[in-house]
Amino acid sequence: DGGITQSPKYLFRKEGQNVTLSCEQNLNHDAMYWYRQDPGQGLRLIYYSQIVNDFQKGDIAEGYSVSREKKESFPLTVTSAQKNPTAFYLCASSIAAWGYTFGSGTRLTVV
Amino acid sequence: QQQVKQSPQSLIVQKGGIPIINCAYENTAFDYFPWYQQFPGKGPALLIAIRPDVSEKKEGRFTISFNKSAKQFSLHIMDSQPGDSATYFCAASMNSGGSNYKLTFGKGTLLTVNP
Repeated sequence: DGGITQSPKYLFRKEGQNVTLSCEQNLNHDAMYWYRQDPGQGLRLIYYSQIVNDFQKGDIAEGYSVSREKKESFPLTVTSAQKNPTAFYLCASSIAAWGYTFGSGTRLTVV
Repeated sequence: QQQVKQSPQSLIVQKGGIPIINCAYENTAFDYFPWYQQFPGKGPALLIAIRPDVSEKKEGRFTISFNKSAKQFSLHIMDSQPGDSATYFCAASMNSGGSNYKLTFGKGTLLTVNP
């Protein structure tokens, strides 16, 4: 079955650590996205990528970094510069706006 | 700034009621308006979508009404069921070039349907 796989489902980070969230898709979609979800804040775009080896900042990119070395993969690193990283992170991919598919998310908690 | 304003933030209805969720946008370049449904601990899933050349679209118990002049659109859920309890997001997008369509989301509405 085609879809998006996010891992891990739960992640705990100590203060000052960098952590990487995995996102893999087998839908052959060109575009991939990372969103952050906080209660009452909706979905906010962190980074997006239209093609391999290219990506753009979204609305809240500070403290995050990404890479797109393969079409299928779009990992997100939450760096120590991100002041408030505790959130639910969602990865998505699309062919077009009507083709958005989301993963099941990773819940990151700072301990 | 591209924004989509969604209301209400939360909504409680009885089984069989018709919850209505409203969204308003500013950017007239938006050309696609989807609604997503999200259950706790899961990613959002596309529910129904509409383009601005259509005033209404129905899929099962879900209906989108679209008012282009007012730049507003709404979701109606007919004969709501407890299983419809979820968070609903409206969104809007326009072609940003190539295969990249950035979705701008509303802040979500938490719907509770009581038995």
